[in-house]
Amino acid sequence: AQSVSQHNHHVILSEAASLELGCNYSYGGTVNLFWYVQYPGQHLQLLLKYFSGDPLVKGIKGFEAEFIKSKFSFNLRKPSVQWSDTAEYFCAEEGGSYIPTFGRGTSLIVHP
Amino acid sequence: DTGVSQDPRHKITKRGQNVTFRCDPISEHNRLYWYRQTLGQGPEFLTYFQNEAQLEKSRLLSDRFSAERPKGSFSTLEIQRTEQGDSAMYLCASSTKGAMGGEQFFGPGTRLTVL
Repeated sequence: AQSVSQHNHHVILSEAASLELGCNYSYGGTVNLFWYVQYPGQHLQLLLKYFSGDPLVKGIKGFEAEFIKSKFSFNLRKPSVQWSDTAEYFCAEEGGSYIPTFGRGTSLIVHP
Repeated sequence: DTGVSQDPRHKITKRGQNVTFRCDPISEHNRLYWYRQTLGQGPEFLTYFQNEAQLEKSRLLSDRFSAERPKGSFSTLEIQRTEQGDSAMYLCASSTKGAMGGEQFFGPGTRLTVL
């Protein structure tokens, strides 16, 4: 069965710190990758996605992620976080079907 | 608001009762997904529809779970003979027709508590 691992379950940062959230997936074939975010009290929403092409993907609010096929990784980064980035972040993959597999999520708290 | 809506937002029931949740997707979206999410976990896929056809249902958690999308618009998820372990957030999402990998738009979820 396909799986997605998010290694950091809880991250606490101060504003302006840099962020990197790890994500590893298991599917060995062509894969689509996503990061979703859930802000407090809001729905899950798409942050960014990778289908093909440039492995460095840029998303909303200054986030980016890099697809490294050899490492089965799709880590999320932001050079300088803001208090408003406090949220739950989920990595997901879709390989070989229309069925997404989500990681367990990373809770990010940014202190002002 | 033209997003995905779910009803009810909260449901408290007693063990053994049946519950039904409704999801209204974004109107032009032909794919509709159901997920379950428990505390500290990501969404867990249950089933999905393309129009009215249920294309994957093997991951429904047991035969007590069933879903329908009778006219390819709204969908219902029913849980029969609820158990305490069914307590969770049930999420619905929709996406457009097209290649695999379409962005999913999520609803607010229905939080089920089984006493």
